[in-house]
Parts: sequence; C-alpha cells; structure tokens
Amino acid sequence: AQKVTQAQTEISVVEKEDVTLDCVYETRDTTYYLFWYKQPPSGELVFLIRRNSFDEQNEISGRYSWNFQKSTSSFNFTITASQVVDSAVYFCALPFLTGANSKLTFGKGITLSVRP
Amino acid sequence: EAGVTQSPTHLIKTRGQQATLRCSPISGHTSVYWYQQALGLGLQFLLWYDEGEERNRGNFPPRFSGRQFPNYSSELNVNALAREDSALYLCASSQGLKNEKLFFGSGTQLSVL
Repeated sequence: AQKVTQAQTEISVVEKEDVTLDCVYETRDTTYYLFWYKQPPSGELVFLIRRNSFDEQNEISGRYSWNFQKSTSSFNFTITASQVVDSAVYFCALPFLTGANSKLTFGKGITLSVRP
Repeated sequence: EAGVTQSPTHLIKTRGQQATLRCSPISGHTSVYWYQQALGLGLQFLLWYDEGEERNRGNFPPRFSGRQFPNYSSELNVNALAREDSALYLCASSQGLKNEKLFFGSGTQLSVL
C-alpha cells in the first residue's frame, strides 16, 4: 500500500537556522513521483517540488534543497537560513495509482515555526 | 490568470443540515479533486472528478457526494452533517494527467455546531 510518513509533527527554529523536514514513503510501484507542498496560514497548498524516482540527484532551489534516497525510501527537505515567512505546514505526498486513476496521498504534515 | 477559487470561505451549519461547497478550477483544467483537512487527521482524499465523471472516491460515507458541471466547476455536498465533519475542505485542479502537480484553492472552513 502507498504510505507517507512524516514523523516530525512540529519544529520550531530561530531565524537563520537550517532545518530539515523528513519524509519516508512506502510504495510497491517501481517508478513513482514524490511531491512537497507548503501550506501557509492562508490555507492554500502551494506546490514546491516534484521528483521522479528515476532521478536521485539532489535538487537545490534557492534556500530550498531536497535529498532523495531510494535506498532508504526518503525524500527530505532542507531549508537553509530559515526566515519567518517559511513558517507553514509542509506536506510530502505520493500519487496513489489505481489503474488509470490517481490521487495524492499526503503525509500528516510538519508544522514549522520560525521565530525572529 | 485566476487560480482555483472556492466558495464560501466559511460555512457554519448545525448537525443534520446539508452543506454545499463550490469550486472553480483553473481555466483549461478538467480534473477537480476534493480533500478534507480535519484537525489532527491530515489531508484525506474525498473525490476526484474528470470530464464530468467521478473517477475515484476516498474512504468516506455516501453522504459525501458531488458533481462536476460542463464548465468543469464542481460542487461538494455533505448531507446529514455531523460534528466530525467540521474541517477545512480543499479543492484542487489539474489537467487530469498522471503524476502532475495539483493547484489548490484556499478552502472552505466548515463548522458544524
């Protein structure tokens, strides 16, 4: 069965600290995609990244970086030099494929608070 | 370009009543997804509509239903409301392709008293 585990529920850091958000997944698919979304206080989920299981290269986008390791079924997200605006709930997600249908299965989310 | 829009933003109902939530997808998107985000339960998949048809359904009772209109907008109906239905209901849209990213609206906060 598809499953996404985000063991950390809440993380609090001081501005400019680096922070890593963990995501562990389970899937029987041999090829798959993984996603990260951010949910700021406004409520709307914002897409951050999509990675294909073929590509295990780390991805960096500004202060954000993602470490994908198939061997440990993990897709961790690091924010470097965190800012107050990074305060949000962060979700890792995995598409659940049933024949021609698909939906995203989300982890429970990690609430990140960045204090000034 | 307008994003996914949901209405109303807040809805207060009493137990046993019916609620109707509305969603307009991004122009050009044919798929609409509904998710429930209840406190402590994370995001739970409710329904997926594509081209006017229900394509997939999450593990929710039949009193949760919906439809998609010819203009691809969608309605979520919840009958016989219970207190545990209180949650943020999020709508998302996409072009209906596998593994593509979803674009989310800001949600409807439903409170059942």
